[in-house]
Amino acid sequence: DAGVTQSPTHLIKTRGQQVTLRCSPKSGHDTVSWYQQALGQGPQFIFQYYEEEERQRGNFPDRFSGHQFPNYSSELNVNALLLGDSALYLCASSLGPPASGRLSNTQYFGPGTRLTVL
Amino acid sequence: AQSVTQLGSHVSVSEGALVLLRCNYSSSVPPYLFWYVQYPNQGLQLLLKYTSAATLVKGINGFEAEFKKSETSFHLTKPSAHMSDAAEYFCAVPAGGTSYGKLTFGQGTILTVHP
Repeated sequence: DAGVTQSPTHLIKTRGQQVTLRCSPKSGHDTVSWYQQALGQGPQFIFQYYEEEERQRGNFPDRFSGHQFPNYSSELNVNALLLGDSALYLCASSLGPPASGRLSNTQYFGPGTRLTVL
Repeated sequence: AQSVTQLGSHVSVSEGALVLLRCNYSSSVPPYLFWYVQYPNQGLQLLLKYTSAATLVKGINGFEAEFKKSETSFHLTKPSAHMSDAAEYFCAVPAGGTSYGKLTFGQGTILTVHP
């Protein structure tokens, strides 16, 4: 049973550039969430996709955008990169629509993509 | 919105000693609470989850956590530490309200295990 996979593993970009990170959810899962984990911090929620739509969003600027494909995989795009965007980007998958009380909302995380902005 | 606080950013124990990692939640009783572990240069792995079905929750690798409403706590314990337990541990809670799909994490506790 394949878990959550992310690509690439590491990425180095320069300020002002754009980056795309990719995520494939755990088999059978249809909801994808993205988190940013800065060094020494806990993960911070960026946004969540279900049925190819952004369902929830955290406190991140519009430079952060995403997409979900019909096969449930997802992309995270970051435009106009800043030094402060350097972080580990984690993708998590879960089953079913985001809804209060759903046990199936348990999120399973991938290994992450380490983004370094120079 | 719900939040969690992890007391102690670093915990150091000897191999074979009790492990206690502390987590307190902020307000009303949450429907779920989670503990995740992160090994160096890896993603997060689910250790255990509280679902209100039982106050004592057993997880993987010999870890367990007890939900205590009177103390607003969900501390993680393991009776005997192993070298392989060295990692960073995160407590997490659904943000609540209309943000139930969003997990809010604590700042993390780095566990060091000495031989």
